[in-house]
Amino acid sequence: EPEVTQTPSHQVTQMGQEVILRCVPISNHLYFYWYRQILGQKVEFLVSFYNNEISEKSEIFDDQFSVERPDGSNFTLKIRSTKLEDSAMYFCASLGTSVLETQYFGPGTRLLVL
Amino acid sequence: EDKVVQSPLSLVVHEGDTVTLNCSYEVTNFRSLLWYKQEKKAPTFLFMLTSSGIEKKSGRLSSILDKKELFSILNITATQTGDSAIYLCARYNQGGKLIFGQGTELSVKP
Repeated sequence: EPEVTQTPSHQVTQMGQEVILRCVPISNHLYFYWYRQILGQKVEFLVSFYNNEISEKSEIFDDQFSVERPDGSNFTLKIRSTKLEDSAMYFCASLGTSVLETQYFGPGTRLLVL
Repeated sequence: EDKVVQSPLSLVVHEGDTVTLNCSYEVTNFRSLLWYKQEKKAPTFLFMLTSSGIEKKSGRLSSILDKKELFSILNITATQTGDSAIYLCARYNQGGKLIFGQGTELSVKP
């Protein structure tokens, strides 16, 4: 069964460093999302991406964050200068051809900023 | 911001018990409501509910939506230890963004 994959599974970085989280969505999906979950808190929406542009972003998704679909298969989330409070589990999700369908999640990347 | 509220926040039961998990939401551009199971990492999809009053079933799990009263329930019958997880309820907004509740942590004791 097709699935969303994410790399790395864990990332430890120093505050102020840049990180890139990678996702490979399900191959025929057109809508892509990033969510994050701080330990013990709810899953929060970060950004949605469709047709090679951001369609919606949350207040969390400030200028330090960017997303890209560089090659038609990968979908990346970049955090330019990490802060301690960026420590969280980051989930990528994808959805098929209509926003009426189910969204499928990847296994997540656990980011720890020291 | 649209809210999704789940109750209870945590629940401890014994194997064989039946549980009912609740999810209420505010109605702004409602499209559908989804239930996910989160064990160690990623939420895994259980149900998507769009129409009121139609029960969706998968094995021992079932779910129903009430669009008039703005809530959904997830039922698990004959619980097993493998059902221990956090159950997440989420609603779609117009753009496909999921708004999650805080989850119900279910613990099934042998």
